[in-house]
Amino acid sequence: DVRLVESGGALVQPGGSLRLSCAASRFTFNTYWMTWVRQAPGKGLEWVANIKEDGTDKYYADSVKGRFTVSRDNAKNSLYLQMNSLRAEDTAVYYCARGHFFDLWGRGTLVTVSS
Amino acid sequence: EIVLTQSPGTLSLSPGERGTLSCRASQSVRSNYLAWYQLKPGQAPRLLIFGASSRSIGIPDRFSGSGSGTDFTLTISRLEPEDFAIYYCQYYGSSPGTFGQGTKVEIK
Repeated sequence: DVRLVESGGALVQPGGSLRLSCAASRFTFNTYWMTWVRQAPGKGLEWVANIKEDGTDKYYADSVKGRFTVSRDNAKNSLYLQMNSLRAEDTAVYYCARGHFFDLWGRGTLVTVSS
Repeated sequence: EIVLTQSPGTLSLSPGERGTLSCRASQSVRSNYLAWYQLKPGQAPRLLIFGASSRSIGIPDRFSGSGSGTDFTLTISRLEPEDFAIYYCQYYGSSPGTFGQGTKVEIK
């Protein structure tokens, strides 16, 4: 099946770092923009960051700019999100999603920022 | 940056009834780059509509999207039990992207 699988979520202290991964399978990964979207507990969906097919263009939500870095490895069909200087408000389920409108989503990985 | 405002916040309906969900943009949406998603607890979001009115693969025809400019609507013609969920609109004509705050469709 065509799918995305996120990993790397964990409990981390405020100010800490975490790297999320998203493994893509059964589609031509290097022909799609890829996006990270998150949902905090009891809140709505929030667009986080995206990256162009070849990795040359990247965009970020203001809430994460300067702290998060999106990257990809097309040889490994993988998307990443490096998260630094984490805050309590970054606590959320993080999804990777395909494209600009998202026709394929992973099941998400939970990041909890707490002391 | 375009801001999307969804209304109502909660819609209380009975199975078989018609549901009408609104998404209003703070400025005109380029090329109708507007999508709708369904979200249920513990599940990945599901794309329903893209391009304001095109149904995604496998989406039942009771779901329809309409609108242009700044006003968009998701209509569920006859609610099935599995349709009770939260619905989000999304503008994807530029990055960073943006979602509406969601409309919860609950059983009356």
